[in-house]
Amino acid sequence: AQSVTQLDSQVPVFEEAPVELRCNYSSSVSVYLFWYVQYPNQGLQLLLKYLSGSTLVKGINGFEAEFNKSQTSFHLRKPSVHISDTAEYFCAVDTGGFKTIFGAGTRLFVKA
Amino acid sequence: ETGVTQSPTHLIKTRGQQVTLRCSSQSGHNTVSWYQQALGQGPQFIFQYYREEENGRGNFPPRFSGLQFPNYSSELNVNALELDDSALYLCASTYPTGVDNEQFFGPGTRLTVL
Repeated sequence: AQSVTQLDSQVPVFEEAPVELRCNYSSSVSVYLFWYVQYPNQGLQLLLKYLSGSTLVKGINGFEAEFNKSQTSFHLRKPSVHISDTAEYFCAVDTGGFKTIFGAGTRLFVKA
Repeated sequence: ETGVTQSPTHLIKTRGQQVTLRCSSQSGHNTVSWYQQALGQGPQFIFQYYREEENGRGNFPPRFSGLQFPNYSSELNVNALELDDSALYLCASTYPTGVDNEQFFGPGTRLTVL
């Protein structure tokens, strides 16, 4: 069975500072990996995805993530955050079947 | 905008009642998944429909049921509501290619059970 662990429930950071949101997964088969963002009172928006190929994936809004198979990690990074990046971020894993497993989420607070 | 809409936006029901939530997907997206997101949690997979048939189910009891229609709309029905059913319910549509499983999420319906 697959599982996703987001290691930080909340991450406070000052505006223009770099940020890393950590995600580890567990799976016995190959996976597709995703990061979604959820702004207050909205649904989920896809930030980026890893399907295959290059382990460094670039997404929208300046975010990127690196797939590390040996460490079963898929950490999300941004070199300089903005106030508008304040939101909930979810890491998710999919084995190509019908079911996507989400982590519990990390709340990113960007302070002025 | 994802092109996926849900109605209603908010809903209040009492324990024991039944509820129907609706989702309208993008044209051509013949797969729809429903998720339950409790407060402070990540979305939990309820079930998926593909071409109007249930294609897979998560760990939810049979009182959670669904329908998918040929016009790319779908419904989630919950019978005998319990307090723990209070959550944000999200639908997500996919055009399955077998390679890219990107899901397009609606804004959700927030259900409160009193």
